[in-house]
Amino acid sequence: AQTVTQSQPEMSVQEAETVTLSCTYDTSENNYYLFWYKQPPSRQMILVIRQEAYKQQNATENRFSVNFQKAAKSFSLKISDSQLGDTAMYFCAFMKQFRGGADGLTFGKGTHLIIQP
Amino acid sequence: GAGVSQSPSNKVTEKGKDVELRCDPISGHTALYWYRQRLGQGLEFLIYFQGNSAPDKSGLPSDRFSAERTGESVSTLTIQRTQQEDSAVYLCASSPGGGEWETQYFGPGTRLLVL
Repeated sequence: AQTVTQSQPEMSVQEAETVTLSCTYDTSENNYYLFWYKQPPSRQMILVIRQEAYKQQNATENRFSVNFQKAAKSFSLKISDSQLGDTAMYFCAFMKQFRGGADGLTFGKGTHLIIQP
Repeated sequence: GAGVSQSPSNKVTEKGKDVELRCDPISGHTALYWYRQRLGQGLEFLIYFQGNSAPDKSGLPSDRFSAERTGESVSTLTIQRTQQEDSAVYLCASSPGGGEWETQYFGPGTRLLVL
């Protein structure tokens, strides 16, 4: 079974600052995907970024980037130039990869990120 | 296009009653997932459908929970004889087949409160 750990229950930064959210995971799988999802007060889960474990290059999406350390089983999210709209719960998630099928996500407990004006 | 929709948005029920939660996935998505999110917690995976079949039901919390999917479209999650610990937000997600099956698109959830 996989586990995902987010050690920061809550973080608060000033607008325009850079913030890094940490995530570690435990798995015996070699092929898998990692995700960061954002959940604002509306409850809608929004995919922020994803990373395939077989790719060494860290994924980036505009102001969002990850630091993926496969050997350390670490997957942190960096948000640059933070904006008020980034305020939300952020969840790290794991999915094992297998051919042609679907599987459920294993989520961490989340980090509540607050961007202060 | 339209995203994943869920109904009702909110449901209040009395302990012991049965409830049905509905999920309409994105059109053409072959995989559908149900999750439970208790207050202040992350999401807990319950079950997924590949087409109309559910290969693994072991994530369902108890035999009071069941789910079905018809026509490779709408799915219903049924909770029988509800208990107070069933109170949570129930989220549905869908993903396309082919090369993008791993990206799940979530609905807004149904908030269930069992009194």
